[in-house]
Amino acid sequence: DQQVKQNSPSLSVQEGRISILNCDYTNSMFDYFLWYKKYPAEGPTFLISISSIKDKNEDGRFTVFLNKSAKHLSLHIVPSQPGDSAVYFCAASSFYNQGGKLIFGQGTELSVKP
Amino acid sequence: GAGVSQSPRYKVAKRGQDVALRCDPISGHVSLFWYQQALGQGPEFLTYFQNEAQLDKSGLPSDRFFAERPEGSVSTLKIQRTQQEDSAVYLCASSRDREHQPQHFGDGTRLSIL
Repeated sequence: DQQVKQNSPSLSVQEGRISILNCDYTNSMFDYFLWYKKYPAEGPTFLISISSIKDKNEDGRFTVFLNKSAKHLSLHIVPSQPGDSAVYFCAASSFYNQGGKLIFGQGTELSVKP
Repeated sequence: GAGVSQSPRYKVAKRGQDVALRCDPISGHVSLFWYQQALGQGPEFLTYFQNEAQLDKSGLPSDRFFAERPEGSVSTLKIQRTQQEDSAVYLCASSRDREHQPQHFGDGTRLSIL
């Protein structure tokens, strides 16, 4: 069963506009959520995270929102830049229950057009 | 370098051969993880070490897969009698051994079994 799902395989936005990437999860034991960005032939790069005691975390142009009741998180990128074009993965973990191993979604390919 | 280092970057082997993939984690990181990433999918957990102790190997797909971290630093993932379905990118990540710490990934080893 897919515990973490990213239902949009791709997203295209105009430079300067907002990009919103979505992620849903099913396991209520997850207490830490992360977003990674991946360029071809490189490993995933950590972007931003949020613990389950918060509902928002912001770092520059990147904001992650967590809605625990809906088991949903989203990543907002404002303003979007062409260099943001990459595959974005959400991931979830439960440190005390699963030792911190990450469960990943399938990824969303973001394309930011000039 | 300060990041996670993996070698080789690319490995081609004939079906039935044994392969060994190396991971050098970030200095001081106690936790080390191996993931397998198939084309178009998110990374999937294989195994987890805390120092030299392998605490979780629930993701290893068969007994042909073996991982070790004898001195609590460098880790090796070994695949015996390789099969075509083993073709994937193998990612290593390390983190501090504390709750809510992001994992930092290497660039992976792309394994192709002919």
